[in-house]
Amino acid sequence: QQQVKQSPQSLIVQKGGISIINCAYENTAFDYFPWYQQFPGKGPALLIAIRPDVSEKKEGRFTISFNKSAKQFSLHIMDSQPGDSATYFCAASHGYNQGGKLIFGQGTELSVKP
Amino acid sequence: DTEVTQTPKHLVMGMTNKKSLKCEQHMGHRAMYWYKQKAKKPPELMFVYSYEKLSINESVPSRFSPECPNSSLLNLHLHALQPEDSALYLCASSQTGVGTDTQYFGPGTRLTVL
Repeated sequence: QQQVKQSPQSLIVQKGGISIINCAYENTAFDYFPWYQQFPGKGPALLIAIRPDVSEKKEGRFTISFNKSAKQFSLHIMDSQPGDSATYFCAASHGYNQGGKLIFGQGTELSVKP
Repeated sequence: DTEVTQTPKHLVMGMTNKKSLKCEQHMGHRAMYWYKQKAKKPPELMFVYSYEKLSINESVPSRFSPECPNSSLLNLHLHALQPEDSALYLCASSQTGVGTDTQYFGPGTRLTVL
């Protein structure tokens, strides 16, 4: 119940294309869903996050879509660029409970080809 | 300044050595975290300090010993490690430690145990 399942494991997209990464969760107590981006040799960095009271959040080329009834959320990267090549982790937490513990998905290695 | 610094960048140690990893932040954050990350895997939470008190210990073996000397510093003392402990050790901090806080990660210490 504490798991977050992420797919695909790896993704190759042409420059200018749309990258889509999906995550699913079971625990309905989760109420905060961040996405982290990690480049090789660096720590993860927050990309964008959503609470379940909204169905979509957009920041520049990055959009999170959230489906509360299906317990799924996804990251869309529009106009994907080679500089977006990184590993992406979705995560979930209990918001104001449970001391800031993030449950991470398994990660998606994105490669954007020029 | 949203920077978390970690020293050293790389560490090689034998199974009988004692060493320490250091983490520092000057963002005024009151929660600090240690994570372990294996290659191509998500970060795994080890410890959380909230207001300088240990609030979460994810059943980590006693050969890992955390210490929070003050609100800006976090140490991880290592003793009698095993080769399977080789990994990237990430430090993170967040404002108060609730689940909706953004966690800011450092670049990590790459640990190799021989």
